[in-house]
Amino acid sequence: EAQVTQNPRYLITVTGKKLTVTCSQNMNHEYMSWYRQDPGLGLRQIYYSMNVEVTDKGDVPEGYKVSRKEKRNFPLILESPSPNQTSLYFCASSLSGGQNEKLFFGSGTQLSVL
Amino acid sequence: AQKVTQAQTEISVVEKEDVTLDCVYETRDTTYYLFWYKQPPSGELVFLIRRNSFDEQNEISGRYSWNFQKSTSSFNFTITASQVVDSAVYFCALSGRAGGTSYGKLTFGQGTILTVHP
Repeated sequence: EAQVTQNPRYLITVTGKKLTVTCSQNMNHEYMSWYRQDPGLGLRQIYYSMNVEVTDKGDVPEGYKVSRKEKRNFPLILESPSPNQTSLYFCASSLSGGQNEKLFFGSGTQLSVL
Repeated sequence: AQKVTQAQTEISVVEKEDVTLDCVYETRDTTYYLFWYKQPPSGELVFLIRRNSFDEQNEISGRYSWNFQKSTSSFNFTITASQVVDSAVYFCALSGRAGGTSYGKLTFGQGTILTVHP
């Protein structure tokens, strides 16, 4: 089944403790991206990747890192999480970012930073 | 910079009413792409439509229709004869170069919460 898989689904952590949210897609998509969803703000793009080893900042990249070493994986890294990073995170992929195909989203990761 | 504004934070209607969700965008690009996504109470995000800036034809898909007007920078979404299952958060989104070299940057609106009452 074609899907975008995010893990974990829920995560509670403490300030400053490094964490990684994984994202994997099985559709051989070139484009992958991360978003955070906050009430009243909609979804805001954190980082995106047009292909392997090609990443770029979205609108809210501060405090986050990403890497794209393989086509299928696009992990989101919070080196030193802070409470303002408490949010619902979504990973998404599409066939080609350049053609702006429709996005396939993961199920989301609810992160709480205490 | 690119921007998407969904002025309606919440809309409440009774089943079978028609409802229009507004979306206004800003971009300096001449080529760009517009999208609508639906987020039902279960939380997943579902693609509804994609439109490029050179295609101003309106589109209809069952009870859903979209009106794209470049002159007013709007891409409005209408649900005809709404149903309870239409209750969801709806997001409008824009993808342009936004000063970069690719179309990878995607900007969403704040979302409109639609509640359809039986």
